[in-house]
Amino acid sequence: AQKVTQAQTEISVVEKEDVTLDCVYETRDTTYYLFWYKQPPSGELVFLIRRNSFDEQNEISGRYSWNFQKSTSSFNFTITASQVVDSAVYFCALSIIQGAQKLVFGQGTRLTINP
Amino acid sequence: KAGVTQTPRYLIKTRGQQVTLSCSPISGHRSVSWYQQTPGQGLQFLFEYFSETQRNKGNFPGRFSGRQFSNSRSEMNVSTLELGDSALYLCASSLATGGADTQYFGPGTRLTVL
Repeated sequence: AQKVTQAQTEISVVEKEDVTLDCVYETRDTTYYLFWYKQPPSGELVFLIRRNSFDEQNEISGRYSWNFQKSTSSFNFTITASQVVDSAVYFCALSIIQGAQKLVFGQGTRLTINP
Repeated sequence: KAGVTQTPRYLIKTRGQQVTLSCSPISGHRSVSWYQQTPGQGLQFLFEYFSETQRNKGNFPGRFSGRQFSNSRSEMNVSTLELGDSALYLCASSLATGGADTQYFGPGTRLTVL
């Protein structure tokens, strides 16, 4: 079975600080996909990134960066110079190639950026 | 392109009633998945439909069912509502099935069961 753990339930930082959200996953499959989604108060899940299990290159998109390490089964997300608009719940999710579109989500990390 | 749309956005029902939620995927997307989000259980997979066929189902009772139409629009139905069914129901669409495609989510339907 697959499992995703986001150990940080809530994080609160002051604007302009850097913050890292942790994600650890479990799967026996060798081919899988990892995702990060953002859920603002409106409720809609907004897609941020997808990474497949064969691509361990780190990715940077503006103030966002992701660090994928298969050796530790982690896929961490860092926001540099955080802004109030980054406040949301962030979810890490895992999908395996199993003939269906099924995401297994972590419990989410509520990030609050204070001005 | 328009995103995933869900109707209605809010629903209030009483125990024992049934409810139908609707989801229209992004144009060209053929897979529709449904998820339930509650404070206690988090985000849980309900089922996925692709080409009008259910591909997979999560660990939910038979009161939860769904279907997909030839235009890829999907509906989910919950019969004999219980208080514990109060949740945000999210629909997601993707181009294909199989697990590799990115799923794009709608705004959700917030169901309250009294």
